[in-house]
Amino acid sequence: AQSVTQLGSHVSVSEGALVLLRCNYSSSVPPYLFWYVQYPNQGLQLLLKYTSAATLVKGINGFEAEFKKSETSFHLTKPSAHMSDAAEYFCAVSPNGGFKTIFGAGTRLFVKA
Amino acid sequence: EAGVTQSPTHLIKTRGQQATLRCSPISGHTSVYWYQQALGLGLQFLLWYDEGEERNRGNFPPRFSGRQFPNYSSELNVNALELEDSALYLCASSPPQDTGELFFGEGSRLTVL
Repeated sequence: AQSVTQLGSHVSVSEGALVLLRCNYSSSVPPYLFWYVQYPNQGLQLLLKYTSAATLVKGINGFEAEFKKSETSFHLTKPSAHMSDAAEYFCAVSPNGGFKTIFGAGTRLFVKA
Repeated sequence: EAGVTQSPTHLIKTRGQQATLRCSPISGHTSVYWYQQALGLGLQFLLWYDEGEERNRGNFPPRFSGRQFPNYSSELNVNALELEDSALYLCASSPPQDTGELFFGEGSRLTVL
C-alpha cells in the first residue's frame, strides 16, 4: 500500500531564506511522485513531478525536488523564499500511474517579511 | 486550452437538503475525480469516474453519489446534507494515458447551515 508523510504541518521562513518541505513515501512499486501547491480558496496546481527520469526534478516558480530512493524521500526546496510562495503544499504518490493518487496531509508555508 | 471548470463556486444549503456540484474536465480527459477538502482534514478521495463508469469510491456514505456524462463532464450529489459536509469540493481530471498527474479545478465551496 502507498502512503505519504509530510513532516511539519506548518513551516515558517523569512523572505530570501531557503525553503525545505519534507516528504517521505512508501510504495510497493516504483512510484510517480508529485508536489502540488494550493493558494487560498483555489484548486491545486502541479509544481513538479518525478516519473523515473532524472532524480532531481525542476518545477515552476524556482522549486525543485530530489528523489532519493534509499531514503524514500522527495523533499521540496527553493533557494530563496518569496512572499508569493506562501501557500499550502501537498506531496502525492501514484503507483505507476494508477488511478489512485495518495496525498499527504499538506504543509502550510508562511513567509515572513 | 480551457482547464477544469467547476460550478457553482459557492453554495449554501441547510441541513437535510441536497447539493449538486458540477465539473467539466479538460478536453480529451476521460477520468474525473472528486475530492473533499474539509478544514483541517486534508484531501479526502471521494469518487473516480472513467468512461462513464464509477471505478472507485472513497470511505464516504452512500449519500455521496455522482455520475459521469457521455461528454465526460460529471456531477457530484450530496443528499441529506449534514453540517460536517461543509468543505471545498475539488474536481480533477486526467487523460487516458494516465501518469497519475491530476489537473484540478478551482473547487466548489459548500456551506451547510
